[in-house]
Amino acid sequence: AQSVTQPDIHITVSEGASLELRCNYSYGATPYLFWYVQSPGQGLQLLLKYFSGDTLVQGIKGFEAEFKRSQSSFNLRKPSVHWSDAAEYFCAVGPTTGTASKLTFGTGTRLQVTL
Amino acid sequence: GAGVSQTPSNKVTEKGKYVELRCDPISGHTALYWYRQSLGQGPEFLIYFQGTGAADDSGLPNDRFFAVRPEGSVSTLKIQRTERGDSAVYLCASSSSGRYNEQFFGPGTRLTVL
Repeated sequence: AQSVTQPDIHITVSEGASLELRCNYSYGATPYLFWYVQSPGQGLQLLLKYFSGDTLVQGIKGFEAEFKRSQSSFNLRKPSVHWSDAAEYFCAVGPTTGTASKLTFGTGTRLQVTL
Repeated sequence: GAGVSQTPSNKVTEKGKYVELRCDPISGHTALYWYRQSLGQGPEFLIYFQGTGAADDSGLPNDRFFAVRPEGSVSTLKIQRTERGDSAVYLCASSSSGRYNEQFFGPGTRLTVL
Protein backbone atom coordinates (compact mmCIF):
# COMPACT_ATOMS: atom_id res chain seq x y z
CA ALA A 1 0.00 0.00 0.00
CA GLN A 2 1.14 3.51 -0.66
CA SER A 3 1.81 5.92 2.18
CA VAL A 4 3.22 9.37 2.77
CA THR A 5 5.21 10.63 5.73
CA GLN A 6 5.61 14.26 6.60
CA PRO A 7 7.91 14.18 9.63
CA ASP A 8 7.48 17.80 10.64
CA ILE A 9 4.12 18.61 12.18
CA HIS A 10 4.86 22.29 12.69
CA ILE A 11 7.58 24.58 11.31
CA THR A 12 8.21 28.24 12.07
CA VAL A 13 10.33 30.42 9.81
CA SER A 14 11.00 34.13 9.61
CA GLU A 15 9.67 36.07 6.68
CA GLY A 16 12.33 36.19 3.98
CA ALA A 17 14.02 33.01 5.16
CA SER A 18 14.22 29.88 3.04
CA LEU A 19 11.89 26.95 3.57
CA GLU A 20 12.08 23.22 3.09
CA LEU A 21 9.21 20.89 3.95
CA ARG A 22 9.98 17.20 3.99
CA CYS A 23 7.99 14.43 2.37
CA ASN A 24 8.82 10.73 2.14
CA TYR A 25 6.67 8.21 0.37
CA SER A 26 6.30 4.47 0.23
CA TYR A 27 5.19 2.92 -3.02
CA GLY A 28 6.12 -0.08 -5.15
CA ALA A 29 7.29 2.07 -8.02
CA THR A 30 7.66 5.76 -8.69
CA PRO A 31 4.29 7.25 -7.91
CA TYR A 32 2.80 10.48 -9.04
CA LEU A 33 3.63 13.13 -6.44
CA PHE A 34 1.84 16.29 -5.40
CA TRP A 35 2.04 19.17 -2.97
CA TYR A 36 -1.12 20.95 -1.84
CA VAL A 37 -1.61 23.97 0.41
CA GLN A 38 -4.60 24.52 2.68
CA SER A 39 -5.26 27.95 4.10
CA PRO A 40 -7.87 28.53 6.82
CA GLY A 41 -11.33 28.60 5.30
CA GLN A 42 -9.95 27.77 1.88
CA GLY A 43 -10.03 24.59 -0.13
CA LEU A 44 -6.89 22.64 -0.88
CA GLN A 45 -4.90 24.18 -3.71
CA LEU A 46 -2.40 22.36 -5.89
CA LEU A 47 1.09 23.86 -5.70
CA LEU A 48 2.90 21.46 -8.02
CA LYS A 49 3.05 17.89 -9.26
CA TYR A 50 5.58 15.39 -10.53
CA PHE A 51 4.79 12.67 -13.02
CA SER A 52 8.09 12.00 -14.77
CA GLY A 53 11.04 13.70 -16.38
CA ASP A 54 12.95 16.54 -14.77
CA THR A 55 13.18 15.80 -11.07
CA LEU A 56 13.03 19.47 -10.12
CA VAL A 57 9.53 20.82 -10.65
CA GLN A 58 8.37 24.38 -10.42
CA GLY A 59 5.01 25.33 -9.03
CA ILE A 60 2.88 28.31 -8.24
CA LYS A 61 3.69 31.00 -5.68
CA GLY A 62 7.43 30.51 -6.11
CA PHE A 63 7.50 26.94 -4.77
CA GLU A 64 9.58 24.11 -6.17
CA ALA A 65 10.06 20.47 -5.25
CA GLU A 66 12.72 17.90 -5.99
CA PHE A 67 12.04 14.22 -6.50
CA LYS A 68 14.83 11.98 -5.22
CA ARG A 69 14.20 8.35 -6.04
CA SER A 70 17.09 7.06 -3.93
CA GLN A 71 15.62 8.72 -0.84
CA SER A 72 11.94 8.22 -1.72
CA SER A 73 11.54 11.91 -1.07
CA PHE A 74 9.75 14.85 -2.62
CA ASN A 75 10.69 17.87 -0.53
CA LEU A 76 9.08 21.26 -1.07
CA ARG A 77 11.22 24.37 -1.08
CA LYS A 78 10.90 28.13 -1.35
CA PRO A 79 13.88 30.47 -1.30
CA SER A 80 12.16 33.36 0.48
CA VAL A 81 8.99 32.90 2.51
CA HIS A 82 6.26 35.52 2.64
CA TRP A 83 3.87 36.00 5.56
CA SER A 84 1.02 34.92 3.29
CA ASP A 85 2.62 31.47 2.96
CA ALA A 86 1.47 30.59 6.47
CA ALA A 87 -0.81 27.59 5.96
CA GLU A 88 -0.95 23.81 6.14
CA TYR A 89 0.98 21.92 3.48
CA PHE A 90 0.18 18.40 2.35
CA CYS A 91 2.25 16.02 0.29
CA ALA A 92 0.30 13.39 -1.63
CA VAL A 93 0.94 10.40 -3.84
CA GLY A 94 -1.22 8.83 -6.50
CA PRO A 95 -1.02 5.40 -8.10
CA THR A 96 0.32 5.07 -11.59
CA THR A 97 -2.09 2.25 -12.43
CA GLY A 98 -5.85 1.97 -12.30
CA THR A 99 -8.50 4.39 -13.36
CA ALA A 100 -8.93 6.53 -10.30
CA SER A 101 -6.66 9.45 -9.60
CA LYS A 102 -7.25 9.01 -5.89
CA LEU A 103 -4.65 10.63 -3.73
CA THR A 104 -3.04 9.46 -0.49
CA PHE A 105 -2.11 12.41 1.67
CA GLY A 106 0.39 12.87 4.45
CA THR A 107 -0.63 14.29 7.80
CA GLY A 108 0.50 17.75 6.82
CA THR A 109 3.00 20.35 8.03
CA ARG A 110 1.72 23.58 9.52
CA LEU A 111 3.88 26.52 8.54
CA GLN A 112 4.01 29.58 10.73
CA VAL A 113 5.77 32.71 9.46
CA THR A 114 7.10 35.28 11.88
CA LEU A 115 7.58 38.88 10.85
CA GLY B 1 -15.79 31.07 -12.77
CA ALA B 2 -17.36 29.34 -9.79
CA GLY B 3 -15.34 26.76 -7.94
CA VAL B 4 -16.48 23.63 -6.15
CA SER B 5 -19.14 24.41 -3.61
CA GLN B 6 -20.26 22.32 -0.68
CA THR B 7 -23.33 22.63 1.49
CA PRO B 8 -23.82 22.94 4.32
CA SER B 9 -20.55 24.42 5.52
CA ASN B 10 -21.27 23.11 9.00
CA LYS B 11 -23.54 20.34 10.16
CA VAL B 12 -24.18 19.35 13.75
CA THR B 13 -26.18 16.21 14.35
CA GLU B 14 -26.88 13.70 17.05
CA LYS B 15 -25.55 10.19 17.18
CA GLY B 16 -27.75 7.84 15.22
CA LYS B 17 -29.15 10.46 12.87
CA TYR B 18 -28.95 10.50 9.07
CA VAL B 19 -27.10 13.27 7.22
CA GLU B 20 -26.63 14.32 3.63
CA LEU B 21 -23.72 16.40 2.40
CA ARG B 22 -23.88 18.05 -0.99
CA CYS B 23 -21.19 18.84 -3.52
CA ASP B 24 -21.55 21.04 -6.60
CA PRO B 25 -18.53 20.47 -8.85
CA ILE B 26 -17.11 22.85 -11.38
CA SER B 27 -19.32 22.86 -14.44
CA GLY B 28 -18.15 20.36 -17.04
CA HIS B 29 -15.97 18.35 -14.70
CA THR B 30 -16.72 14.67 -15.16
CA ALA B 31 -14.62 13.34 -12.27
CA LEU B 32 -15.72 13.89 -8.69
CA TYR B 33 -14.01 12.78 -5.47
CA TRP B 34 -15.00 12.68 -1.83
CA TYR B 35 -12.37 12.78 0.91
CA ARG B 36 -12.63 12.91 4.68
CA GLN B 37 -10.24 14.92 6.82
CA SER B 38 -10.13 14.18 10.53
CA LEU B 39 -8.55 16.58 12.97
CA GLY B 40 -4.78 16.67 12.58
CA GLN B 41 -4.83 14.35 9.60
CA GLY B 42 -4.56 14.67 5.87
CA PRO B 43 -7.53 14.05 3.62
CA GLU B 44 -8.48 10.41 3.22
CA PHE B 45 -10.01 9.15 -0.03
CA LEU B 46 -13.58 7.89 0.17
CA ILE B 47 -15.07 7.52 -3.30
CA TYR B 48 -14.52 8.54 -6.93
CA PHE B 49 -17.16 9.15 -9.60
CA GLN B 50 -16.58 9.26 -13.32
CA GLY B 51 -19.79 10.63 -14.70
CA THR B 52 -22.76 9.08 -12.90
CA GLY B 53 -21.09 5.88 -11.76
CA ALA B 54 -18.94 5.24 -8.73
CA ALA B 55 -15.74 4.03 -10.35
CA ASP B 56 -13.96 3.40 -7.05
CA ASP B 57 -15.65 3.28 -3.63
CA SER B 58 -12.84 1.44 -1.88
CA GLY B 59 -12.38 4.22 0.67
CA LEU B 60 -15.87 4.15 2.13
CA PRO B 61 -15.34 2.97 5.71
CA ASN B 62 -18.49 0.85 6.00
CA ASP B 63 -21.99 0.40 4.63
CA ARG B 64 -23.33 3.38 6.58
CA PHE B 65 -21.68 5.58 3.97
CA PHE B 66 -23.14 5.95 0.51
CA ALA B 67 -22.76 8.49 -2.27
CA VAL B 68 -24.68 9.24 -5.43
CA ARG B 69 -24.27 11.40 -8.50
CA PRO B 70 -27.45 10.72 -10.47
CA GLU B 71 -27.02 13.24 -13.28
CA GLY B 72 -23.24 13.33 -13.44
CA SER B 73 -22.99 16.71 -11.79
CA VAL B 74 -24.08 17.29 -8.18
CA SER B 75 -23.14 14.57 -5.72
CA THR B 76 -24.54 13.74 -2.32
CA LEU B 77 -22.68 11.86 0.39
CA LYS B 78 -25.10 10.11 2.72
CA ILE B 79 -24.26 8.85 6.18
CA GLN B 80 -26.71 6.68 8.07
CA ARG B 81 -26.78 6.08 11.82
CA THR B 82 -24.02 8.61 12.41
CA GLU B 83 -21.41 7.89 15.04
CA ARG B 84 -19.17 10.28 16.96
CA GLY B 85 -16.21 8.92 15.00
CA ASP B 86 -17.76 10.27 11.80
CA SER B 87 -17.01 13.81 12.96
CA ALA B 88 -14.62 15.30 10.39
CA VAL B 89 -14.41 17.71 7.49
CA TYR B 90 -15.76 16.14 4.33
CA LEU B 91 -14.06 17.45 1.21
CA CYS B 92 -15.24 17.24 -2.35
CA ALA B 93 -13.03 17.70 -5.40
CA SER B 94 -13.68 17.69 -9.11
CA SER B 95 -11.53 17.51 -12.19
CA SER B 96 -11.90 17.36 -15.93
CA SER B 97 -11.56 13.99 -17.62
CA GLY B 98 -8.15 12.46 -17.96
CA ARG B 99 -5.98 10.89 -15.34
CA TYR B 100 -4.42 13.22 -12.86
CA ASN B 101 -5.88 16.39 -14.18
CA GLU B 102 -5.81 18.83 -11.32
CA GLN B 103 -8.37 18.18 -8.62
CA PHE B 104 -10.08 21.36 -7.48
CA PHE B 105 -11.24 21.12 -3.88
CA GLY B 106 -14.24 22.69 -2.22
CA PRO B 107 -14.07 24.34 1.21
CA GLY B 108 -15.54 21.27 2.88
CA THR B 109 -18.42 20.47 5.20
CA ARG B 110 -17.54 20.22 8.88
CA LEU B 111 -19.65 17.44 10.39
CA THR B 112 -19.97 17.20 14.15
CA VAL B 113 -21.76 14.24 15.67
CA LEU B 114 -22.75 14.79 19.28
